Amino acid sequence: GENVEQHPSTLSVQEGDSAVIKCTYSDSASNYFPWYKQELGKRPQLIIDIRSNVGEKKDQRIAVTLNKTAKHFSLHITETQPEDSAVYFCAARYMGGYNFNKFYFGSGTKLNVKP
Amino acid sequence: GAVVSQHPSRVICKSGTSVKIECRSLDFQATTMFWYRQFPKQSLMLMATSNEGSKATYEQGVEKDKFLINHASLTLSTLTVTSAHPEDSSFYICSAQQVKGYNEQFFGPGTRLTVL
Repeated sequence: GENVEQHPSTLSVQEGDSAVIKCTYSDSASNYFPWYKQELGKRPQLIIDIRSNVGEKKDQRIAVTLNKTAKHFSLHITETQPEDSAVYFCAARYMGGYNFNKFYFGSGTKLNVKP
Repeated sequence: GAVVSQHPSRVICKSGTSVKIECRSLDFQATTMFWYRQFPKQSLMLMATSNEGSKATYEQGVEKDKFLINHASLTLSTLTVTSAHPEDSSFYICSAQQVKGYNEQFFGPGTRLTVL
């Protein structure tokens, strides 16, 4: 199976600063890496994702980088705002075979953006 | 588009009773559905994966007789927690994929189960 590790577990930044969250995965068969934002008591919301054949993807203030060789990927949030405060999860999609897949999640990072 | 609903949103039951949670894809056919469990301030733990037309595949350590999953149709999956005990209290979230093996999964709003 897959093992996804995520760091740091908590992250406090000043409004306007950048935040970086890092994840590693263990199985080279994983080929899709989404990032989710989850607010208390709510469902995870996809904020950005990247496929294994791409090294970097950006969407406004959010970017994700992937290093397949090292099996790690990172979330970068620039110009952070108080509304970015939430728990962020990385995930890796493991392909178990033809048309069979499943997702494994990192342990989460609680981001606190101080105004 | 790609909306997933879950019912009930909250349930409180007595120890020993069974609880059924429904997960529905409202505007698409879900060939694959996933069930997750989330403890407070912890990550989502995959419990099982169900593909249309086949039995659910359970993750290691998840009791299949305890957590019964039925992918009844392309728009409905149910999770039944049988003979629930206080340690089964948790937040259960389902998700669905529109096409087998497709990238994105769409999450339901979750069900908070409390077993007294």
